[in-house]
Amino acid sequence: GAVVSQHPSWVICKSGTSVKIECRSLDFQATTMFWYRQFPKQSLMLMATSNEGSKATYEQGVEKDKFLINHASLTLSTLTVTSAHPEDSSFYICSATIPSGRGQSVAYEQYFGPGTRLTVT
Amino acid sequence: GEDVEQSLFLSVREGDSSVINCTYTDSSSTYLYWYKQEPGAGLQLLTYIFSNMDMKQDQRLTVLLNKKDKHLSLRIADTQTGDSAIYFCAENINQGGKLIFGQGTELSVKP
Repeated sequence: GAVVSQHPSWVICKSGTSVKIECRSLDFQATTMFWYRQFPKQSLMLMATSNEGSKATYEQGVEKDKFLINHASLTLSTLTVTSAHPEDSSFYICSATIPSGRGQSVAYEQYFGPGTRLTVT
Repeated sequence: GEDVEQSLFLSVREGDSSVINCTYTDSSSTYLYWYKQEPGAGLQLLTYIFSNMDMKQDQRLTVLLNKKDKHLSLRIADTQTGDSAIYFCAENINQGGKLIFGQGTELSVKP
């Protein structure tokens, strides 16, 4: 099956510093990747849609200047949490899609990375 | 707006069948998905169903879709302790793969 990796798997940083998280599709090319945030015992909250070669589309309420997304190639998207604060501590998960089918019957199989646990002290 | 609802907990005995239910509001959904998340891990795609289908079976998994009632269910036959996890349903609401997730159902399988 399709494999998506994330690096690092966990990171601890001091308040005010920036952290970069990488998301890679290992055995397929992904024109679209998604970034999610998940709090303990809660569902995934979509932060942004990352499209290769263009600007990311952010969900309402997500600060684009704080969560910088770059999708420089068909296999790599990065999320940079700038000037991190303790309230940014969370589990960040990326996903990459593989379209399957044609026309109205396209299913987007979305494959998830293992997640990155960010703790800001 | 779009909304996906799931019950939060389900407990079953090993060997029994588990049925996890989900309701959604957007009638324009084209595909509906089931994902499994184990502690501290990402989500694993289990199966998905096209909105014009009623049922899909894949080994121990059976997905039932009632489009009129906007109700989706996942049945796991012969549930094992390794099936203990959180199960998310999700709907695809537009082209491009954007998904809306339910809150997740925590399945606990007791020996």
